[in-house]
Amino acid sequence: AQSVAQPEDQVNVAEGNPLTVKCTYSVSGNPYLFWYVQYPNRGLQFLLKYITGDNLVKGSYGFEAEFNKSQTSFHLKKPSALVSDSALYFCAVRAYYGNNRLAFGKGNQVVVIP
Amino acid sequence: NAGVTQTPKFQVLKTGQSMTLQCAQDMNHEYMSWYRQDPGMGLRLIHYSVGAGITDQGEVPNGYNVSRSTTEDFPLRLLSAAPSQTSVYFCASSSLPGTGGFKAGELFFGEGSRLTVL
Repeated sequence: AQSVAQPEDQVNVAEGNPLTVKCTYSVSGNPYLFWYVQYPNRGLQFLLKYITGDNLVKGSYGFEAEFNKSQTSFHLKKPSALVSDSALYFCAVRAYYGNNRLAFGKGNQVVVIP
Repeated sequence: NAGVTQTPKFQVLKTGQSMTLQCAQDMNHEYMSWYRQDPGMGLRLIHYSVGAGITDQGEVPNGYNVSRSTTEDFPLRLLSAAPSQTSVYFCASSSLPGTGGFKAGELFFGEGSRLTVL
């Protein structure tokens, strides 16, 4: 079964500094990979996804993520963090073929310090 | 465009009561799913469906039932509520991988239903 690990509970970063949120995954075959963001008392919003093609994927709000097949990682990055980026971030994976389950990590709380 | 609509947004139940969380989507998505979100646990899949008449269990199905009689609706039933079912529940839908063009596989979430079982 597919699974995701997000090793850090919370990521603190100063405003204007680069932001990285780590994600590693496990899945049979080729993966669909996703990042979602959740603001307080809201549902999850899609940020970006990787299916095939370029390993560097660009998404909403200036975020990007790099797919690394050999390390089974899909880290989320932003060159310059904003206070408004403070939120809960989830990485998710589903198999390209198979049971269609989308498995989520436990989430990372990002705190951007002014 | 309504997207995914969940009702109710808040509910308080007593132990042993039953209830149904409603979920409807207007995007003609084949795939629908229910997750529960608990602090430190992330989102855990309860049940999912890949089309009308087809449902399957996720990671934490015990105590919950689902049905999918139409493409649009995917209700979640709590048969006999327990305090351990206190959680925030999210419904989400997507087109299936390989279909739906550019947005294939991307989950669209409802705003959540906060359930407290006393």
